[in-house]
Amino acid sequence: GQQVMQIPQYQHVQEGEDFTTYCNSSTTLSNIQWYKQRPGGHPVFLIQLVKSGEVKKQKRLTFQFGEAKKNSSLHITATQTTDVGTYFCAEFYGGGSNYKLTFGKGTLLTVNP
Amino acid sequence: DSGVTQTPKHLITATGQRVTLRCSPRSGDLSVYWYQQSLDQGLQFLIQYYNGEERAKGNILERFSAQQFPDLHSELNLSSLELGDSALYFCASSVQTSGSQFFGPGTRLTVL
Repeated sequence: GQQVMQIPQYQHVQEGEDFTTYCNSSTTLSNIQWYKQRPGGHPVFLIQLVKSGEVKKQKRLTFQFGEAKKNSSLHITATQTTDVGTYFCAEFYGGGSNYKLTFGKGTLLTVNP
Repeated sequence: DSGVTQTPKHLITATGQRVTLRCSPRSGDLSVYWYQQSLDQGLQFLIQYYNGEERAKGNILERFSAQQFPDLHSELNLSSLELGDSALYFCASSVQTSGSQFFGPGTRLTVL
């Protein structure tokens, strides 16, 4: 079955340091989405990437989709305590009446003030 | 507030029992997804419905079933419950079949 590798599983940083999480797939993806889940909360949609090589920015967050559409990354510049949470990638592949959706296991980010 | 509602918020039941979880999607969203989240398995996609029809199936057990009604709300039925079914169950909705998803607050199921 489809394997979604998300690394690292955990990351602890000092406030102000940068943070990156990676998602790797064994299959070419239709698109990829990123979500954030605060402790005790529900996943919240951050962004969707569709095009090969796409780069999108949201303030201190930078999202990239690989050229081969098999990997993606989320980079946070100068982390803040409000960035604490688990970041998930969600991969869509296939199409028509036969597409699949898989979430990565997530990267738990903790920030030391 | 995502606009997705789920009931009940908490559910405690015994092994072997059957429960029904309910989800109302955001207004205008035709697609509903169900997920199971446990500490060791992460967020597992169970099943998706689009405008009343099953659209995609994930790691859903045969003891579990779901449906989406004409008013677009959805129910997830869990039967012959086991201790390992204890988890947080999320519902999410989206306008299209593979667009951004909006998650509800979840139902925490505890099987004793």
